[in-house]
Amino acid sequence: KQEVTQIPAALSVPEGENLVLNCSFTDSAIYNLQWFRQDPGKGLTSLLLIQSSQREQTSGRLNASLDKSSGRSTLYIAASQPGDSATYLCAVSGSARQLTFGSGTQLTVLP
Amino acid sequence: NAGVTQTPKFQVLKTGQSMTLQCAQDMNHEYMSWYRQDPGMGLRLIHYSVGAGITDQGEVPNGYNVSRSTTEDFPLRLLSAAPSQTSVYFCASSPTLAKNIQYFGAGTRLSVL
Repeated sequence: KQEVTQIPAALSVPEGENLVLNCSFTDSAIYNLQWFRQDPGKGLTSLLLIQSSQREQTSGRLNASLDKSSGRSTLYIAASQPGDSATYLCAVSGSARQLTFGSGTQLTVLP
Repeated sequence: NAGVTQTPKFQVLKTGQSMTLQCAQDMNHEYMSWYRQDPGMGLRLIHYSVGAGITDQGEVPNGYNVSRSTTEDFPLRLLSAAPSQTSVYFCASSPTLAKNIQYFGAGTRLSVL
């Protein structure tokens, strides 16, 4: 059974700092990996999707990498802003395409 | 374009009551799914559907029923509510099972007393 772990559970950084969020998964036979953002009391917004054949994806200040062999992904946020404060969730899709989620990293960017 | 719409946003039930959580999408997506989110546990898949008339179980299906009579709607039924079903429920859709960038609704916060 696929298991997804996100460390740390919470992170607080000053504005302007570059930061990395980590995601690890136990079964490397994945179809793709997605990073989501969740604001308090809201649904999830997809940030980046990396297919299993890709190594990274970029969108603006966000860069996500994927290393299938080691079962790891990172989400890099450059020049963090208070508006980046949210919970970030990692999810992997297996051969049946169903998503398995990590429990998330709650990010706070301090002004 | 409304995207994925969930109703109600909040609901309080007594143990043993039944209810239906509604989910509708206007993007003509084939794939729809229901998740529950509990503190510290991430989201867990309850049921999913790859198209009208086709549904299947996810990781935590017990106590829930679904049906998919149209492409747009995917209601989730709680048959006899239990306190363990207190959670936040999210509905999601994606164009196909292969193109699974998923679009989420805003959620239904359910409390079972």
